[in-house]
Amino acid sequence: AQSVTQLGSHVSVSEGALVLLRCNYSSSVPPYLFWYVQYPNQGLQLLLKYTTGATLVKGINGFEAEFKKSETSFHLTKPSAHMSDAAEYFCAVESKSTFGDGTTLTVKP
Amino acid sequence: DTEVTQTPKHLVMGMTNKKSLKCEQHMGHRAMYWYKQKAKKPPELMFVYSYEKLSINESVPSRFSPECPNSSLLNLHLHALQPEDSALYLCASSQDWLGGNTEAFFGQGTRLTVV
Repeated sequence: AQSVTQLGSHVSVSEGALVLLRCNYSSSVPPYLFWYVQYPNQGLQLLLKYTTGATLVKGINGFEAEFKKSETSFHLTKPSAHMSDAAEYFCAVESKSTFGDGTTLTVKP
Repeated sequence: DTEVTQTPKHLVMGMTNKKSLKCEQHMGHRAMYWYKQKAKKPPELMFVYSYEKLSINESVPSRFSPECPNSSLLNLHLHALQPEDSALYLCASSQDWLGGNTEAFFGQGTRLTVV
């Protein structure tokens, strides 16, 4: 069965600092992977997805993620955090029912 | 139009009430979903409709009854709920259910409180 693990339920960064949110997957074949963001009292919104092709994927709001098969990882990064990035982030694998436990990102002024 | 619209945004209901949640999409998606989300937890899949037929029921209690009147609409009928059913209920849609590379588009959710 496919699964994803998000390391770190809470991440806190200063405004302007690098954001790194970790996701590792477990799958017998390279999966399709997604990152979603959820702002308070909102639904989930797709940030980016990896299907095939280029392993460095660029998404909305300056986020990107790199698919690393050797490390079974799909970590989410943003070079410079903004206050508006504070939200809950979920990594997901292709089934639409398999989400990670989520990481709460806090951005300090 | 890339929106999934859910109504109402907030709902408070008693344990003997009957209410319905509604969801609508006009993206031509053939799969629609209901999720339940508790605070600080990921969404939990409840039901999947594919081509207007119920494909997945994740052992959801019968007090939740889904309905898909047509390809654009999805309802969730609620009856005799318990306080522990209080949660954010999310509707989503995607091009299809089996396509692993297709993402889900989520509505803003209905915040349900059972008193």
